[in-house]
Parts: sequence; C-alpha cells; structure tokens
Amino acid sequence: ELKVEQNPLFLSMQEEKNYTIYCNYSTTSDRLYWYRQDPGKSLESLFVLLSNGAVKQEGRLMASLDTKARLSTLHITAAVHDLSATYFCAVDANTGNQFYFGTGTSLTVIP
Amino acid sequence: EPEVTQTPSHQVTQMGQEVILRCVPISNHLYFYWYRQILGQKVEFLVSFYNNEISEKSEIFDDQFSVERPDGSNFTLKIRSTKLEDSAMYFCASGQGDYNEQFFGPGTRLTVL
Repeated sequence: ELKVEQNPLFLSMQEEKNYTIYCNYSTTSDRLYWYRQDPGKSLESLFVLLSNGAVKQEGRLMASLDTKARLSTLHITAAVHDLSATYFCAVDANTGNQFYFGTGTSLTVIP
Repeated sequence: EPEVTQTPSHQVTQMGQEVILRCVPISNHLYFYWYRQILGQKVEFLVSFYNNEISEKSEIFDDQFSVERPDGSNFTLKIRSTKLEDSAMYFCASGQGDYNEQFFGPGTRLTVL
C-alpha cells in the first residue's frame, strides 16, 4: 500500500514567520494534491501538482513537487492567524481512482 | 460555484442498523468517491465509482458497504449493519477526471451507538 507521511504532525508558529511542511510518499506518482481542513469542516483544494518540478503559489502558500525524491513541500511565508488549519497532502497512485492521504499537519499560528 | 452536497449532516444510529448516506456530486462530473475520516485521523479512501460501476475499493469497503447511483444526480453509500467502529465523518467527492482533482462535500458525521 502506498504510504504518505507528513511532518511535522503539529506545528505552532508565530505570525510573520516562515515554515515548511513536508510530504513524503512511498511509490511513483506524478500527481500530488494539497488540501486544507478547518475543524469540523470539509477539505478545500489548495494546489494540484501534476509533474516533476511543479511549483504553485497562492497568497502566502507555495507548494512544490519533486517526483524523483517522492517529496512535496508546502511553504508558508509570513504566517497569519487565518492560516491556522490542518493541511493534508494526497497522492494519486496513477491508477486514477483513489487518493492516499497523508497524516495531516495541524498548524496553529499564534500572535 | 457548483459544489458537492451531502445529507444528512449528522446521523446517529444504533449498532446493527442500516444507514444510507447521500451525496449529490457536481453535475458534470463523472467520477465519484467515498472517503471516511475517523475523528482526529487521516482521510481514508473507501471506494471510487465510474460509469455505473465500482472502479476501485479499499480493504475497508467490505461486504457491509455498497454504493449506488440510483438516478442521474444522487450517489449513495449504504452500510448494512453498522458497527461502533463505523463512527466517522464520511466525505463524498467528485471529479471530472481531468488531472483527477477531487472536490469534497461537507461530510456526514455518523455516530453509531
């Protein structure tokens, strides 16, 4: 079974600081997705990364994909409180029909 | 903006009872999925559905589970005889197939007593 690991699991960071969340996965895949989940809510799509070297940015978040290293990163720049949430990466194992989700990173941004 | 909807938002049932969770995917999507998330844990794949049949299913999706697309709009997940460990948030998702991006519904919280 494809394994997807994120680290850290919990992240408490101060406003205006930068940090990176890592997503490692165990098998070949060219497609990786980042989702945000607020407490008790559904999953909101943040980024779709479809090839090696893909980089996408939206506001204070930037995601990248290295398929050779089987690694994706989600970089947070100058964090603000509104970014507090749980972030999941998900890997499509190229079968086209299921996502394998990471363990999630619970981010808390403190003033 | 079109979105996936799910009903009910919260279902409480007794162990051994049957439950049906309902989803209305985004109208022009062709691929449909069910996932579950036990409280505080990661999201787990249950089943995918395309062209009126199951495409893939996980080990979790045993004989107690079934899915159906009874008409052109609804997509349902049935649990025949619920167990305590079925208590979880169940998410429906749909996608067009392009890049396999999946859009998730708000979820149904199932509580089995």
